[in-house]
Amino acid sequence: EAGVAQSPRYKIIEKRQSVAFWCNPISGHATLYWYQQILGQGPKLLIQFQNNGVVDDSQLPKDRFSAERLKGVDSTLKIQPAKLEDSAVYLCASSFLAGVGETQYFGPGTRLLVL
Amino acid sequence: LAKTTQPISMDSYEGQEVNITCSHNNIATNDYITWYQQFPSQGPRFIIQGYKTKVTNEVASLFIPADRKSSTLSLPRVSLSDTAVYYCLVGEVVNDMRFGAGTRLTVKP
Repeated sequence: EAGVAQSPRYKIIEKRQSVAFWCNPISGHATLYWYQQILGQGPKLLIQFQNNGVVDDSQLPKDRFSAERLKGVDSTLKIQPAKLEDSAVYLCASSFLAGVGETQYFGPGTRLLVL
Repeated sequence: LAKTTQPISMDSYEGQEVNITCSHNNIATNDYITWYQQFPSQGPRFIIQGYKTKVTNEVASLFIPADRKSSTLSLPRVSLSDTAVYYCLVGEVVNDMRFGAGTRLTVKP
């Protein structure tokens, strides 16, 4: 079974530029999550999708971050404009559903460096 | 949201059993306890999940006392490849769960 795919793996941009990350979840997984992991910290949930609808985006900085999952499969996370403090690893995860005790499967992440 | 407390780091030697304890004093009735493992440059990987008493799989055991205010992840006979960060999460559904800083386990030869 193929895992969660993410691209690119690395990205370096200058502050105020825009950047986008792509995620392809495990086939058949209805729920998709985006996390931000700053060096030395645990992952922080940014947004959760159930199919193509947003379930939770309470921790997404909506003035600069946006995400979509138009067809309920792939998802993109965008930052516009980027700030220095956005330097982090952006992790995508998926799960079959979003029920009690559901297990998440994580991708390898995209490492972003903002200069 | 249940808050969790884990040791920041632990050291062990190959072949030893490692026990990592997580405190979660305000765990709710419907909350599960889930542990993830993360290697450098990789996303977290599910290890084990439990609700009460003891759960065992091919990788680890999870011990949960009756009051459920703590839990202990037990890794039998660790090897160098078990060096990683281990996270304890508590919640009923995923968006109730929060990753803390985790426990950085270093296994030495």
